[in-house]
Amino acid sequence: AQRVTQPEKLLSVFKGAPVELKCNYSYSGSPELFWYVQYSRQRLQLLLRHISRESIKGFTADLNKGETSFHLKKPFAQEEDSAMYYCALRTSYDKVIFGPGTSLSVIP
Amino acid sequence: DTAVSQTPKYLVTQMGNDKSIKCEQNLGHDTMYWYKQDSKKFLKIMFSYNNKELIINETVPNRFSPKSPDKAHLNLHINSLELGDSAVYFCASSQALGAYGYTFGSGTRLTVV
Repeated sequence: AQRVTQPEKLLSVFKGAPVELKCNYSYSGSPELFWYVQYSRQRLQLLLRHISRESIKGFTADLNKGETSFHLKKPFAQEEDSAMYYCALRTSYDKVIFGPGTSLSVIP
Repeated sequence: DTAVSQTPKYLVTQMGNDKSIKCEQNLGHDTMYWYKQDSKKFLKIMFSYNNKELIINETVPNRFSPKSPDKAHLNLHINSLELGDSAVYFCASSQALGAYGYTFGSGTRLTVV
């Protein structure tokens, strides 16, 4: 079955602390994974995708096929990082499945 | 210069009414989508169109009918609205069937009373 899980519904960290948002997936094919961010009352925006191996706004994510994970990390959290983060899996049927989301709150 | 625009932004209507939500993209993308975000912020795909052809049609009540007059537009018509239809509906578009990620609209918050 194709599935994306984000075990933490809510995550609070202090400003300047490291942050890791967990994402695990279940997919028998070759996965394509993405992270999207939704700031309060705004549209979802693509944050990064595993294929490009980029760092956006200080965030990075590495695909670990052995652990079927794609955790999002940032060494020093900023207040403006407070948002809803969605991990997403694109399947070979060109359907993108979103995880349930993790709400990140950065405490000043 | 909005890339994906949806109208209306807010929609409050009574049960049993029929309503439409419009979506337009000016990115030249060939695929468009409708997603529903429920009150728990969970996002679920409803439909996907590629070059005006329906390619994804998830288990959605047939009161929901998408229409794509051209590849830049994807509208969503909902008949006989029910309380459970209250949600935020997001339109999105992509090129290469989503390989580079989606561009989302700002959402339409539908409230059925």
